Amino acid sequence: ETGVTQTPRHLVMGMTNKKSLKCEQHLGHNAMYWYKQSAKKPLELMFVYNFKEQTENNSVPSRFSPECPNSSHLFLHLHTLQPEDSALYLCASSQEGGPNTGELFFGEGSRLTVL
Amino acid sequence: AQSVTQPDIHITVSEGASLELRCNYSYGATPYLFWYVQSPGQGLQLLLKYFSGDTLVQGIKGFEAEFKRSQSSFNLRKPSVHWSDAAEYFCAVGAITGANNLFFGTGTRLTVIP
Repeated sequence: ETGVTQTPRHLVMGMTNKKSLKCEQHLGHNAMYWYKQSAKKPLELMFVYNFKEQTENNSVPSRFSPECPNSSHLFLHLHTLQPEDSALYLCASSQEGGPNTGELFFGEGSRLTVL
Repeated sequence: AQSVTQPDIHITVSEGASLELRCNYSYGATPYLFWYVQSPGQGLQLLLKYFSGDTLVQGIKGFEAEFKRSQSSFNLRKPSVHWSDAAEYFCAVGAITGANNLFFGTGTRLTVIP
């Protein structure tokens, strides 16, 4: 139990579907992240929210849309995805600005398959 | 450019044997260094980190790592491996500015044989 919960754990969707991934952190952290994990590739940082404000968007296609309604919740809205978007999507949180800056706490991930 | 290299994609060790996982980094500033572990079906968990001070750092589960600035390395070690250590291990390098500047390696998968 890492204090970061992701739902759903598994998701299969067609290319025309719209779905959302949800992340909730119970650690009181001030930053949340979406990462994409694909086989044989380094983790790819997709989005960063500090104090609910988006501070990073690493050239992610617009078919991925993040939402951070408060400092504990983070969503990733998905629409018209491509098969190459199939991957494990990891949510993480951290407490930035203090002695534990840079230390990430990860959820278990949402395994996405796009048909 | 910042980068992290984990030269070993897959390592197999016998239970009870010692382990060393290699990590080399390229970073323009003073690095913060991390090792994370990912068990099957799980997210990543922090094993240990180096920010400053003693270059030999201790982590959870009996792991340690040594920062060698001259070699740009941060290798992970464990004196006696347990079957439960089978997992994927990721090295990461970052900066004082925060986790949004963290660069991960491609990982080393560890198999433990009885």
